[in-house]
Amino acid sequence: DAEITQSPRHKITETGRQVTLACHQTWNHNNMFWYRQDLGHGLRLIHYSYGVQDTNKGEVSDGYSVSRSNTEDLPLTLESAASSQTSVYFCASSRGDEAFFGQGTRLTVV
Amino acid sequence: GDSVTQMEGPVTLSEEAFLTINCTYTATGYPSLFWYVQYPGEGLQLLLKATKADDKGSNKGFEATYRKETTSFHLEKGSVQVSDSAVYFCARTPGYNTDKLIFGTGTRLQVFP
Repeated sequence: DAEITQSPRHKITETGRQVTLACHQTWNHNNMFWYRQDLGHGLRLIHYSYGVQDTNKGEVSDGYSVSRSNTEDLPLTLESAASSQTSVYFCASSRGDEAFFGQGTRLTVV
Repeated sequence: GDSVTQMEGPVTLSEEAFLTINCTYTATGYPSLFWYVQYPGEGLQLLLKATKADDKGSNKGFEATYRKETTSFHLEKGSVQVSDSAVYFCARTPGYNTDKLIFGTGTRLQVFP
């Protein structure tokens, strides 16, 4: 079955370190997204991509970057982790208007 | 700008009670509207959707009707079960047929036997 997987599921890192969260989908979807989920804010869009070599900033993109070198993967990089980036991160992919979500990565920055 | 507003939770109900979770959206463009559900420890799953005014989305006993006149998309279920306990997110696309989703803050539903 096609799926979308995120790794790691949990990570603790120190302030200032670079961190990369992986997202891999096997649906061959062109559209991929990264969201963060915080209490009181719901899900907020960080970055998104509509295809290989395409990346776009979402509403909370500062301190994050993505790259899209193939259809299946959209890794999210925190350039210099900050405590404000402690959150649960969700990757999603879509074709058309239905999005499919990964199980999330809980990131703690200490 | 484009946004979605949901009622704050938690919503606490007894099994077999009637559920309503309110959702309103800003009247920009022609959005598609969605309800997603998040069970504990999992990602979001699409529950139902509606793509134009007066459409009714339904799934697993849940329903929501796209009301353009009131800019609303309230989620309803006639008889909730303990297994419906989850966080429910209302979402929309931006005004003009794109694939990004804009989410509300989520409403936690707790159903007790």
